[in-house]
Amino acid sequence: EVQLVESGGGLVKPGGSLRLSCAASGFTFSNYGMNWVRQAPGKGLEWVSSISDSSSYIYYADSVKGRFTISRDNAKNSLYLQMNSLRAEDTAVYYCARDLGPYLGLDYWGQGTLVTVSS
Amino acid sequence: AIQMTQSPSSLSASVGDRVTITCRASQGIRNDLGWYQQKPGKAPNLLIYAASSLQSGVPSRFSGSGSGTDFTLTISSLQPEDFATYYCLQDYNYPRTFGQGTKVEIK
Repeated sequence: EVQLVESGGGLVKPGGSLRLSCAASGFTFSNYGMNWVRQAPGKGLEWVSSISDSSSYIYYADSVKGRFTISRDNAKNSLYLQMNSLRAEDTAVYYCARDLGPYLGLDYWGQGTLVTVSS
Repeated sequence: AIQMTQSPSSLSASVGDRVTITCRASQGIRNDLGWYQQKPGKAPNLLIYAASSLQSGVPSRFSGSGSGTDFTLTISSLQPEDFATYYCLQDYNYPRTFGQGTKVEIK
């Protein structure tokens, strides 16, 4: 069974940092691209970042470029999101999602981890 | 970035109704579009990929159509478990972009 489990969320002050993790199981992690998607309280979904299976290709939303860094460790079946210079508008539930590739969609999602940026 | 304009933002419907949600891209995206369902407090769930292909395990009352800039998600006969928020997502290029969402509520 495919499972994605996020962790690392919490309360952080503006300007602070946080590192999210996503532990994958039930599939060959190194064969798939992965994504981070977030959802602010009461708002819609926002794509944040993508990383290819071998980390060769990385993309970011303009809203996080220069502040967030996506990475993965295929030996540990884990995906990460390093978030620096956090702002109040980064407050959201952060989901990791498996990527089937262009036009094939994001087929498995974790349960999400809440990041709250507040003083 | 490609803008995805989804409509309506909300709708009220009854069990058994036919429901249609549309998504318009600001430029052509071939058929590189997916539809997702999200229930409160839960992660999104992929319903349709490549604009019209039904994801495994998704009931056949869900269907998608369109290509280029205009896309449609149709629920042929609304069921109680279908009351949720629906999003389109273009994966034609980066940054990927979601529509604003359509909340389907009980009439």
